[in-house]
Amino acid sequence: DGGITQSPKYLFRKEGQNVTLSCEQNLNHDAMYWYRQDPGQGLRLIYYSQIVNDFQKGDIAEGYSVSREKKESFPLTVTSAQKNPTAFYLCASSSGRNEKLFFGSGTQLSVL
Amino acid sequence: KQEVTQIPAALSVPEGENLVLNCSFTDSAIYNLQWFRQDPGKGLTSLLLIQSSQREQTSGRLNASLDKSSGRSTLYIAASQPGDSATYLCAVDSGYALNFGKGTSLLVTP
Repeated sequence: DGGITQSPKYLFRKEGQNVTLSCEQNLNHDAMYWYRQDPGQGLRLIYYSQIVNDFQKGDIAEGYSVSREKKESFPLTVTSAQKNPTAFYLCASSSGRNEKLFFGSGTQLSVL
Repeated sequence: KQEVTQIPAALSVPEGENLVLNCSFTDSAIYNLQWFRQDPGKGLTSLLLIQSSQREQTSGRLNASLDKSSGRSTLYIAASQPGDSATYLCAVDSGYALNFGKGTSLLVTP
């Protein structure tokens, strides 16, 4: 089955700790995205990548980092600099402009 | 910056009713608009995509329209069912990625 896999489903972060959220897709899509969703809010763009080895900051990139070493993978690291990391994180991909966006099932990150 | 607004924030209807969800956006220079469905604690599923040159798209009981000049889109759901209960989000592509509204939470009661 083609799709986007996010792991883990739930993640807990301690004070001062960096954590990494995994996102893997087997749709052969070039573009991948990370969004953050807070309760009652719309999705906000953290980072996006249009092609391997290239990525761009979105609207709320501070305190986050990404890499795109393989077409299939776009991991997101939430660093200790992100002071309010508790949120639902969604990874998405698409094959290009004017194509539907496909989402993973999300990772809920909470602070201990 | 593109702002996307969805009204109403929540809606409750009895089963069988036809209903309309609204989406407005501030910048008419868009590439496309998508409507998504999100179930609690889950990711989003794309329902319909309307390109900027199109006026509407249909899929089953769903029909989405786009009026770029007035910055509006509507999602029409015919003969609603309890299984349609979810949050519906619209998103506009006006640059490098989609800008999302906050969604309309729909409850269809039996």
